[in-house]
Amino acid sequence: EAGVTQSPTHLIKTRGQQATLRCSPISGHTSVYWYQQALGLGLQFLLWYDEGEERNRGNFPPRFSGRQFPNYSSELNVNALELEDSALYLCASSLATGVRGTEAFFGQGTRLTVV
Amino acid sequence: AQSVTQPDIHITVSEGASLELRCNYSYGATPYLFWYVQSPGQGLQLLLKYFSGDTLVQGIKGFEAEFKRSQSSFNLRKPSVHWSDAAEYFCAVGAERTGGFKTIFGAGTRLFVKA
Repeated sequence: EAGVTQSPTHLIKTRGQQATLRCSPISGHTSVYWYQQALGLGLQFLLWYDEGEERNRGNFPPRFSGRQFPNYSSELNVNALELEDSALYLCASSLATGVRGTEAFFGQGTRLTVV
Repeated sequence: AQSVTQPDIHITVSEGASLELRCNYSYGATPYLFWYVQSPGQGLQLLLKYFSGDTLVQGIKGFEAEFKRSQSSFNLRKPSVHWSDAAEYFCAVGAERTGGFKTIFGAGTRLFVKA
């Protein structure tokens, strides 16, 4: 069974541009989570989608947005890129929300570098 | 507010020595607790999890963790470290919130293993 897949693995953008990151969850998983792992800041929760809707977001500005498609894959968009957005962006998926014991499975991440 | 603290940014142990990584959490109710490992260039892999029941949890790769409610801790242990254990370790706490389930990660502890 395929795990969570993310694309691209690496992305280089210039300041002010937009970046689009993609995530395909494990088959059957309806929830997708996005995390930012910036150097020295650990894992920061970004966004959570379930059944096509945004359920929760972390303390990030509105230029971080995304969506979830009918097939449960997800896109993370970062507009007006800033140098501080350089980080590893991790996507995770899980079976369902609100279920005790929900476990998230992580992808390999997309390394975004803003120059 | 829900939070996770990993007091040690990095730890160095000798191969074959025992290991304990500390994790403290803050949450009003009984939390769901996780330990993840991230090897260089890899995504996160779940080592073990605690939801209820026996407070000593066994995980993969010979790791175990003990939930101590009185200390709000969930420390990760391994009796004998192997060089391949060198990685970054994340403690996480999950909680059911309005609208679903959310996981908060600690800042991580990087483990170095010396020969």
